[in-house]
Amino acid sequence: DTAVSQTPKYLVTQMGNDKSIKCEQNLGHDTMYWYKQDSKKFLKIMFSYNNKELIINETVPNRFSPKSPDKAHLNLHINSLELGDSAVYFCASSQDPGTEAFFGQGTRLTVV
Amino acid sequence: AQSVTQPDIHITVSEGASLELRCNYSYGATPYLFWYVQSPGQGLQLLLKYFSGDTLVQGIKGFEAEFKRSQSSFNLRKPSVHWSDAAEYFCAVAPSGGYQKVTFGIGTKLQVIP
Repeated sequence: DTAVSQTPKYLVTQMGNDKSIKCEQNLGHDTMYWYKQDSKKFLKIMFSYNNKELIINETVPNRFSPKSPDKAHLNLHINSLELGDSAVYFCASSQDPGTEAFFGQGTRLTVV
Repeated sequence: AQSVTQPDIHITVSEGASLELRCNYSYGATPYLFWYVQSPGQGLQLLLKYFSGDTLVQGIKGFEAEFKRSQSSFNLRKPSVHWSDAAEYFCAVAPSGGYQKVTFGIGTKLQVIP
């Protein structure tokens, strides 16, 4: 039973399209995150939600919009995709912000 | 703001040899410290963490790490490496006290040769 699951695992799309990545956790955690991992494996936080409230919003283009319908879900919607958005996006959760996190398998986004 | 330095981008060790991966952090007080491992095509998995107390922490898969406040370091060690340990290793730091952002290092890629 997967703890943090995100879909899809792979996403190939054209520039200018809008796409969404979904994430669900069944750990009962209060905090969820979206991270972006670039081609050099550098991992950078994008957003963090605690009890459905946005608590961390790094310098991310406003084309990226997270949505948390409930504590177990945190989805990421991306508008007007650009080539530079190509990366692996990881969803994660933790009981409290800044504590150990459980990561999903990642979504490899390729914009062509 | 906190920062993390992993000075070794790539390390190669022979199977059965000992391993030490270096991590230095910059933060004014005692932070929360983590080591994560990422196998190819996978998400990150927590190996171990330090919040407080004993400065030598044990983790999964036979790994341990030692927090040294005087050196601002949290190096990861394993006495005998297995081929399955080949992966990317990330050190991470967060300010203690909760509700804080975790900052990751750039990672160290471990290659294990027979």
